Amino acid sequence: DTGVSQNPRHKITKRGQNVTFRCDPISEHNRLYWYRQTLGQGPEFLTYFQNEAQLEKSRLLSDRFSAERPKGSFSTLEIQRTEQGDSAMYLCASSSAAITPGEGFFGQGTRLTVV
Amino acid sequence: TQLLEQSPQFLSIQEGENLTVYCNSSSVFSSLQWYRQEPGEGPVLLVTVVTGGEVKKLKRLTFQFGDARKDSSLHITAAQPGDTGLYLCAGERGKNEKLTFGTGTRLTIIP
Repeated sequence: DTGVSQNPRHKITKRGQNVTFRCDPISEHNRLYWYRQTLGQGPEFLTYFQNEAQLEKSRLLSDRFSAERPKGSFSTLEIQRTEQGDSAMYLCASSSAAITPGEGFFGQGTRLTVV
Repeated sequence: TQLLEQSPQFLSIQEGENLTVYCNSSSVFSSLQWYRQEPGEGPVLLVTVVTGGEVKKLKRLTFQFGDARKDSSLHITAAQPGDTGLYLCAGERGKNEKLTFGTGTRLTIIP
């Protein structure tokens, strides 16, 4: 296990299309987080899972966004009817409450460009 | 409203100089992390501090958590070009496990 893995690394899509990103966390981590980062800003929290349960969603997560973690392992983030304002880096992080609560180990991110 | 403010926002210094980056908040955090991020990559964890007044050292980097757990600083001694990057502080509040990130400090070390 080499860390948190995100796919794809880059995605260019036309406005109005749907996109889906995948995150594979560190295998023994039960917590998984999604963040969004726009240019020149720090990451902003979107949502968080503990095992398969989605425990919190930010107000940033409009109804066009949905995240799942069906078996408590990998997670997907889907954006429907993309808008230009959705262009950002989408980051996934994982952690384990049993080892290091609150510390996030991040993937390399998915850079989304909506044209 | 940004809970964590970092200063300076941009810093460009010569190789060999020392620098300090600050992370300030009016809120109390149960723990605070520092990350470094390269362009096009995810943040990489440098350190976690959890106790008020705690000081941690990582080679030439010294991290301090404020006594009241509302602020933190990162001091780099004898900066090197490899230290160039975006430095982010992030705090965890209470039992809420999500991280609240600071605004970031973009550091450039000139050879």
